[in-house]
Amino acid sequence: EAAVTQSPRSKVAVTGGKVTLSCHQTNNHDYMYWYRQDTGHGLRLIHYSYVADSTEKGDIPDGYKASRPSQENFSLILELASLSQTAVYFCASSESGGDTGQLYFGEGSKLTVL
Amino acid sequence: QQKVQQSPESLTVSEGAMASLNCTFSDRSSDNFRWYRQHSGKGLEVLVSIFSDGEKEEGSFTAHLNRASLHVFLHIREPQPSDSALYLCAVPGAQGLTFGLGTRVSVFP
Repeated sequence: EAAVTQSPRSKVAVTGGKVTLSCHQTNNHDYMYWYRQDTGHGLRLIHYSYVADSTEKGDIPDGYKASRPSQENFSLILELASLSQTAVYFCASSESGGDTGQLYFGEGSKLTVL
Repeated sequence: QQKVQQSPESLTVSEGAMASLNCTFSDRSSDNFRWYRQHSGKGLEVLVSIFSDGEKEEGSFTAHLNRASLHVFLHIREPQPSDSALYLCAVPGAQGLTFGLGTRVSVFP
């Protein structure tokens, strides 16, 4: 039983359109993260959250918003999708902060922006 | 800012032969290192975490940390074709973990 589930697993969007990627965890973890994975860049942190109704910027937050309406759910929002946002997006959760806590990842959401 | 580099970029090994992967980092004060594996089209699964200099073994995976030389290694004992995957090193950064680009390992029978 997957503890971190992402939806959709794959999506094609048009440039300028709005995209919402959703993540749900059943680990009862306080911390949740959104990463993107690109060839040549590896995994980079976009946004994270350590408590419901609060989000923090990661290393590459520009062009992305995040929402944490509850402990279990964390969404990544692209208000105006661009070609450069084509990537695979991973959600993760951890019991404690990312530099000490173990991260548990979902299976990824592949986004293609045309 | 923490910098993480992995080598080699790709590695081909025969089934049962030892595979050794290298990860170098820039901040000697870091104290919490992880190795993850990612099968094609899947998420990341943690293999081993190591917090102090020396070795840490988890099943067929052994991590070896040497902070003085800024290296953390992963050795895979008797790899199987099912171990073919992308292996990622993760090091504590300013905001959570910083990942290397990975080493793609292919294990042939």
